[in-house]
Amino acid sequence: EVELVQSGAEVKKPGESLRISCQASGYVFTSYWIGWVRQMPGNGLEWMGVIFPRDSDIEYRPSFQGQVTISADTSTDTIYLQWSSLKASDTAIYYCVRRFGSSWFDFWGQGTLVTVSP
Amino acid sequence: EIVLTQSPATLSVSPGERATLSCRASQGIHTNLAWYQQKPGQAPRLLISGASTRATDIPARFSGGGFGTDFTLTISSLQSEDFALYYCLQYSLWPQTFGLGTKVEI
Repeated sequence: EVELVQSGAEVKKPGESLRISCQASGYVFTSYWIGWVRQMPGNGLEWMGVIFPRDSDIEYRPSFQGQVTISADTSTDTIYLQWSSLKASDTAIYYCVRRFGSSWFDFWGQGTLVTVSP
Repeated sequence: EIVLTQSPATLSVSPGERATLSCRASQGIHTNLAWYQQKPGQAPRLLISGASTRATDIPARFSGGGFGTDFTLTISSLQSEDFALYYCLQYSLWPQTFGLGTKVEI
C-alpha cells in the first residue's frame, strides 16, 4: 500500500528557515516523480514542483523557482521542502504528492500546516 | 498556463439527487484531466483520471466525461459522504494546473 507520511505542523517567524519532510513507502521510491502542492487558507491547490529521486531531476513551477528547494534522500525514501527565509505569505498547508508519470497526482500525504507569524 | 474554470462555485443538492459539475479548459487538453474530492481537514483524493477512468475503490456513482475543453463530473445519487469540495486538474500542458473547485453542499 502506497503511503506518504509528512512531518508535523510548524509555527515560524518571518525570516526563519524551515524544512518539512515526506517519507514514502509501499512502492519503488526511485521510479516515480514526487513533490509538493500548496493550499493557502481558504484557497485552491497549486502545484509547486517535483523531483525524480533516481537522478534528482527537479521541475519547479516558475513562480516557486528560487523561493523553495526540493530535495530527496534515497537512503530513507524521503523528500524535503525547504525555505531559507519564510514570509507570512508562505502560511499554507503543504501536501506531498506522487505523480503518475508526467500526469496526475495519484497519492497524497496528509498535509503539513505551516504558519508564519511575527 | 492553462486555466481551468469550474462551475458552479457552489452546488446545493439533496441526498439521492444527481449532481453535475463542470470544468472548462482555456485550450484543448484532449482527455488529460483528473478529478479530486477533498473533505474538510483531509487531503484531496483522486477520483477520476483520463477524464473518465475511475481510480481504485471509487464507487460507480462517480463518472467523468468530456474531451478537448469541456468536462463533467457526475455523481448519480448523492450520498452523505459525497458532500465535499471537488477539483479538476489538467496535465496536458506543463505546468499542471488545478481549477478553483466546486463545493457540493446539502
